[in-house]
Amino acid sequence: EAQVTQNPRYLITVTGKKLTVTCSQNMNHEYMSWYRQDPGLGLRQIYYSMNVEVTDKGDVPEGYKVSRKEKRNFPLILESPSPNQTSLYFCASSLSRGIGGNTIYFGEGSWLTVV
Amino acid sequence: AQSVTQPDIHITVSEGASLELRCNYSYGATPYLFWYVQSPGQGLQLLLKYFSGDTLVQGIKGFEAEFKRSQSSFNLRKPSVHWSDAAEYFCAVGARNMRFGAGTRLTVKP
Repeated sequence: EAQVTQNPRYLITVTGKKLTVTCSQNMNHEYMSWYRQDPGLGLRQIYYSMNVEVTDKGDVPEGYKVSRKEKRNFPLILESPSPNQTSLYFCASSLSRGIGGNTIYFGEGSWLTVV
Repeated sequence: AQSVTQPDIHITVSEGASLELRCNYSYGATPYLFWYVQSPGQGLQLLLKYFSGDTLVQGIKGFEAEFKRSQSSFNLRKPSVHWSDAAEYFCAVGARNMRFGAGTRLTVKP
C-alpha cells in the first residue's frame, strides 16, 4: 500500500531536548516536504526536498533542520525545541516537483508538544 | 508570490443542504489547484485537483469545484451535504511549493 509514514505520532518533550520526527515513503517519490499546521494558519511549509541531497527552505524553516540521505526518508530535526514549535506536523511526498501538479500524499501527522 | 485565501473560517449548513466553500488564489501563471479535507484527528485527503482543461472538476465523495480564472477562484461545491462531511477543508495552490489556505471548518446540523 502506498503510504507516507511518520513517527512518532504523538510526543511531549521539554524545551531544548533535541528530537527527530522520522518520515518514510514507499512510492519512490522524488519530492518530500514538511509542513506544520496551526489553528487559523493552515499548513505552512517548513522544508522541502527535490531529491536526494537536495533540500530547500520553505516558509517557516527557523528552528528546524532536515536531511535527505536516502530517497525514501526525510527526517525533521528540532535541535533545540521551544514551546512555539508545539504544533501538528505533516510529512508529504510527491512523484516529482517539476510539473507541479502531481498529487501530494500526506502522512497522518505528528502531534508535538514542547513544554 | 502564490497565495490562497479562504474567506470563511467556519460554515454551518444543515444536512441535505447545498454547500459552497470559497477559495481565492494569487498565482503568476496557470495555477495547479487542489482541495483537501481533514477529518478530526486525521491527515489530509485529496478531494480533487485542477491542472488544465475542463474548468469544472469532479472529485470524490460527491464534491466538485469550478475554476474561474477571471475571478481567481476555485470554489468547492456539493449539492447535498451529509453529516459525515463535517471536517476542515483546505484549498491549495501548488507548483514548486504548495501553499495552503487557512482552512474552512464545516459543521453539519442534523
